[in-house]
Amino acid sequence: SQTIHQWPATLVQPVGSPLSLECTVEGTSNPNLYWYRQAAGRGLQLLFYSVGIGQISSEVPQNLSASRPQDRQFILSSKKLLLSDSGFYLCAWTYGGQRDTEAFFGQGTRLTVV
Amino acid sequence: AQSVTQPDIHITVSEGASLELRCNYSYGATPYLFWYVQSPGQGLQLLLKYFSGDTLVQGIKGFEAEFKRSQSSFNLRKPSVHWSDAAEYFCAVGSMNTGFQKLVFGTGTRLLVSP
Repeated sequence: SQTIHQWPATLVQPVGSPLSLECTVEGTSNPNLYWYRQAAGRGLQLLFYSVGIGQISSEVPQNLSASRPQDRQFILSSKKLLLSDSGFYLCAWTYGGQRDTEAFFGQGTRLTVV
Repeated sequence: AQSVTQPDIHITVSEGASLELRCNYSYGATPYLFWYVQSPGQGLQLLLKYFSGDTLVQGIKGFEAEFKRSQSSFNLRKPSVHWSDAAEYFCAVGSMNTGFQKLVFGTGTRLLVSP
């Protein structure tokens, strides 16, 4: 069966520090990968998606970047965190090459920038 | 571009009572529709999905949803709510991009269950 791992679960970082959140998927090949952010009292906002290694699409301009160095690994990064980067970050995957697929979510990372 | 509206931010229901959470979407073609549930500090779990066919969809935990094209709605229902159903519920619509599924979520409805 497929599983998705996301870490760390919680993170407190000072303003101006770098960020690296990692997500890996097991049990499937060539998944489509996604990073969502959930701000307090708001829905989920799609930040990045990837349909293959090295292929990253950004949905919103921001202080963050994403990379996909391996087929089932997706990394969310920042060189210098802002207070506004605080939030709950969720990694997700869908079956590659399919439209009739739901998204499967990781457990999320609570990021607090202080 | 697609969009989703969940008009109720909070809903309180007595345990054992019925539940209906509203969801309206905007999309130019036949949508893919989803309901997810999120417990505090957790990821999202899929309750049910609609891709095509029967407009009444059954999901896990006794939930169901009905797709009504004429009303652009996909409301979630449960005949008898349990205390463990207290959580946040998100409706989402998927876009028909070739080769991948990109979901747009509503802002969520927080369900409180009173004894």
